[in-house]
Amino acid sequence: GQQLNQSPQSMFIQEGEDVSMNCTSSSIFNTWLWYKQEPGEGPVLLIALYKAGELTSNGRLTAQFGITRKDSFLNISASIPSDVGIYFCAGRRIQGAQKLVFGQGTRLTINP
Amino acid sequence: DAGITQSPRHKVTETGTPVTLRCHQTENHRYMYWYRQDPGHGLRLIHYSYGVKDTDKGEVSDGYSVSRSKTEDFLLTLESATSSQTSVYFCAISGASGDKGQTQYFGPGTRLLVL
Repeated sequence: GQQLNQSPQSMFIQEGEDVSMNCTSSSIFNTWLWYKQEPGEGPVLLIALYKAGELTSNGRLTAQFGITRKDSFLNISASIPSDVGIYFCAGRRIQGAQKLVFGQGTRLTINP
Repeated sequence: DAGITQSPRHKVTETGTPVTLRCHQTENHRYMYWYRQDPGHGLRLIHYSYGVKDTDKGEVSDGYSVSRSKTEDFLLTLESATSSQTSVYFCAISGASGDKGQTQYFGPGTRLLVL
């Protein structure tokens, strides 16, 4: 089935470093979403993007909807220990449709 | 947090036995979803519902059935569990009034082990 290619699969960084991850597809998407999942919990929405080129921030997190509509990027600035978790991108191909396609996730580990 | 609960939270069962997982919401959202999460695969949609008694298949629906007799409850049934169905199952809801993006909110998950 349709999948999003998310990279990197894992990251090991020092506290205070900036983080970048991305999600790509061979198909056009109308909506891009970024979720964070902590151990033993369900994913929680961080940022939603609805227009090509859109750049949206949520605190130290910034995400962009790629101009080609086939990719999206998430950046975390000045990482802190509570940023640890798995980050998932998700896309909606058809506007108004309910179904989402998810990337495989990026596992973020932070060394204090 | 969206009012979504899943039960049970953990279950161990044997191959060939039927299993039913329950998702309950207090948000009156129209849409409900069942996903499974496995290492290397992210979240994959099993079935979803767009209203009471209205359901449709997702990308990994084989071996699963669902039912929605009330707005607040969405049941996922494994008729005869197999070891390949060992996974973490998440319920999600969407369809809040005024939410143009139809944001999906996730429950806490059910960890299922089929021996």
